[in-house]
Amino acid sequence: DTEVTQTPKHLVMGMTNKKSLKCEQHMGHRAMYWYKQKAKKPPELMFVYSYEKLSINESVPSRFSPECPNSSLLNLHLHALQPEDSALYLCASSQVGTKNTEAFFGQGTRLTVV
Amino acid sequence: RKEVEQDPGPFNVPEGATVAFNCTYSNSASQSFFWYRQDCRKEPKLLMSVYSSGNEDGRFTAQLNRASQYISLLIRDSKLSDSATYLCVVNPRGAGGFKTIFGAGTRLFVKA
Repeated sequence: DTEVTQTPKHLVMGMTNKKSLKCEQHMGHRAMYWYKQKAKKPPELMFVYSYEKLSINESVPSRFSPECPNSSLLNLHLHALQPEDSALYLCASSQVGTKNTEAFFGQGTRLTVV
Repeated sequence: RKEVEQDPGPFNVPEGATVAFNCTYSNSASQSFFWYRQDCRKEPKLLMSVYSSGNEDGRFTAQLNRASQYISLLIRDSKLSDSATYLCVVNPRGAGGFKTIFGAGTRLFVKA
């Protein structure tokens, strides 16, 4: 069972909609991540939060807006998406600053943009 | 050059076979290394960390060669349930902190 919980599991949205993806972990991890995964491709890093501050943005378009309200929660706000943004969005968390910072993943949100 | 490169696969092997996956990484300052497994339409799950001295977990053995920037995973006595995509993961340190970067993954099919 995953200790990283993502909601919703599935989302269909129109190109003019605004929606949010949510992620929660209670492992005390202070690094949280958003990844995008297309079919038959590996997860692609989007954002990294460290101690609730955005530390890495991998040149993600502004129609994706991350937010970290506290150490347990991570949101991804979506607005004016394109059909090519349809993918599995994975949230992950890990410890910060230790040598073996393995990341634990949620089950993902499967997003379809119509 | 990609930050993490893996054998393209797929690997099709019979049950009981030994199979090896290889991975190279470009950032010599990388600190942590892992192998993840991902089943179809599921999230990636940690298979094992990779330590400098090499490490073993049952049928799985991981090796790290820092000088060559090379990681490997050996699976002995393959089971049908080993069929999955195996992802090499490296944590390079960038300007903003540590990332977690995935290789493209290698698909393994184990057949009866």
